[in-house]
Amino acid sequence: AQSVTQLGSHVSVSEGALVLLRCNYSSSVPPYLFWYVQYPNQGLQLLLKYTSAATLVKGINDFEAEFKKSETSFHLTKPSAHMSDAAEYFCAVSRSGAGSYQLTFGKGTKLSVIP
Amino acid sequence: EAGVTQSPTHLIKTRGQQATLRCSPISGHTSVYWYQQALGLGLQFLLWYDEGEERNRGNFPPRFSGRQFPNYSSELNVNALELEDSALYLCASSLSGGVADTQYFGPGTRLTVL
Repeated sequence: AQSVTQLGSHVSVSEGALVLLRCNYSSSVPPYLFWYVQYPNQGLQLLLKYTSAATLVKGINDFEAEFKKSETSFHLTKPSAHMSDAAEYFCAVSRSGAGSYQLTFGKGTKLSVIP
Repeated sequence: EAGVTQSPTHLIKTRGQQATLRCSPISGHTSVYWYQQALGLGLQFLLWYDEGEERNRGNFPPRFSGRQFPNYSSELNVNALELEDSALYLCASSLSGGVADTQYFGPGTRLTVL
């Protein structure tokens, strides 16, 4: 079975500071990994995804994530936080098996940005 | 290009009633997914439809069902509503249901069961 663990249900950073949101996955085969963002009362928006083409993945709004197989991690970073980054962030893993597949989400990390 | 649309935005029902939620995928997408986002439980996968067929089902009771129409739109039916069914129901669509496909999400339907 595959699972996703997001460390820290709440993270607070100062405006302009580095954003680091942690995600670890468990999978017996190389997975496909995604980061989504959810603003209040909205659906999810894709930030970036890893599909084995490159270990460092760049996404929208200056977010990026690095796939580290040895650490089974896919942490999300942004060099400088903006107030508009305040939202909930979800890491997700997709893997096929038994003729089907499923996208499994972590429990989410709520990011607060302090002015 | 229009994104995934869902209706209604809000739905209020009483316990025991039935709820019907609707979803229109992005034009050209054949796969539709349903998720439940309940307070404290995170995003739980409900159902996946592709080309009119149910392809996968999450760990939910049979009173959660749905279908996909020939135009690829979908509806989710929840029978015999229980208080714990109160949640945000999100629909997503993807191009073809491949394991690496990106799922694009709609804004959700907020279901409240009284």
